Amino acid sequence: DVKVTQSSRYLVKRTGEKVFLECVQDMDHENMFWYRQDPGLGLRLIYFSYDVKMKEKGDIPEGYSVSREKKERFSLILESASTNQTSMYLCASSFGGQTNEQFFGPGTRLTVL
Amino acid sequence: GQNIDQPTEMTATEGAIVQINCTYQTSGFNGLFWYQQHAGEAPTFLSYNVLDGLEEKGRFSSFLSRSKGYSYLLLKELQMKDSASYLCAVRDDSWGKLQFGAGTQVVVTP
Repeated sequence: DVKVTQSSRYLVKRTGEKVFLECVQDMDHENMFWYRQDPGLGLRLIYFSYDVKMKEKGDIPEGYSVSREKKERFSLILESASTNQTSMYLCASSFGGQTNEQFFGPGTRLTVL
Repeated sequence: GQNIDQPTEMTATEGAIVQINCTYQTSGFNGLFWYQQHAGEAPTFLSYNVLDGLEEKGRFSSFLSRSKGYSYLLLKELQMKDSASYLCAVRDDSWGKLQFGAGTQVVVTP
């Protein structure tokens, strides 16, 4: 079974703090993705990575950065958290190729006070 | 721009059939996915269509018309556990990126 795990289910941080969200997958997937999910807006892509040390901006990268030092791990970094970054963050991974579905982690609900 | 539309909510009775429509206008098209997401859980893959026509998987079927920019997910013999949000997503490039609709909340009543 494919397993995608995220470091925390719930996280509360203060405005201005640096926040790290970690994602690990155990199926040797090439592709990894970070989304945020907000009511009425669906999932929006923040960043993605097709290989180690490789990253590409998604639709809403502002205020975020990522790191992929190892194939199985993809980290999302909020350099200076703001209240408008309060959201559900979902990590996903997939094999390369057009027909391969993405497998999602359980999500991290981040609240920025 | 990218636009993926699906209804916000649908209600149906246990044992009935529900059809969730999805229309899309995207810069490219390399397949359409449907995901199911129960409250507080991760989305899970249901179906994938890249060619026109119907794909059937047990109680769930998905249809695609590329010329019309249209897909639907058909849920038959509804069960209470089918109460969830259903997400339509289009792969708009040759890599793995997906564009998601806002999701359709299906409520199954006894």
